[in-house]
Amino acid sequence: AQSVSQHNHHVILSEAASLELGCNYSYGGTVNLFWYVQYPGQHLQLLLKYFSGDPLVKGIKGFEAEFIKSKFSFNLRKPSVQWSDTAEYFCAVNGNFGNEKLTFGTGTRLTIIP
Amino acid sequence: DADVTQTPRNRITKTGKRIMLECSQTKGHDRMYWYRQDPGLGLRLIYYSFDVKDINKGEISDGYSVSRQAQAKFSLSLESAIPNQTALYFCATSDDNRGLSNQPQHFGDGTRLSIL
Repeated sequence: AQSVSQHNHHVILSEAASLELGCNYSYGGTVNLFWYVQYPGQHLQLLLKYFSGDPLVKGIKGFEAEFIKSKFSFNLRKPSVQWSDTAEYFCAVNGNFGNEKLTFGTGTRLTIIP
Repeated sequence: DADVTQTPRNRITKTGKRIMLECSQTKGHDRMYWYRQDPGLGLRLIYYSFDVKDINKGEISDGYSVSRQAQAKFSLSLESAIPNQTALYFCATSDDNRGLSNQPQHFGDGTRLSIL
């Protein structure tokens, strides 16, 4: 069965600091990878996704993620965070073929200090 | 108007009561999902449906049932609510990309359910 690990449960950064949130997955085939963000009191929104092609994908609000197949990782990065990035971030994975369910990580809570 | 609408947004009820959470969508997607979110556990899949005649159990379906009344509607029921079903519940939809599963899911605003 597929699984997703997000080892950082709570990250606290100052504004303008660089961000990297870890995501590791286990799955035996071709994967689709997603990062979702949940702002306080809101629903999940898609930040970015990887299906194939360039392993460095860019998303909304200056976020990017790099798929490293050999490490089964899909870490999220942002060079300079803002207070408005305070949110919970979820990594998710599914297989690309057939009716594959999406498996979410447990989330990383990001707090940005002004 | 929201593309994925959940009702009610908040509900407080007592142990043993039957509860129905509704989800409707205007995105025209075939696939619909119900998740629950608990602090520190992320989102866990309760049930999912890939078209009107298709219902599948997720990882935590015990104590829940669903009904896919139409392409646009997918409801979740708790037949006899218990306190450990207190959680935030999300409905989501996704497009069927010719049988592939690479389309992102679109979430509703959630229903905060408290069972006393």
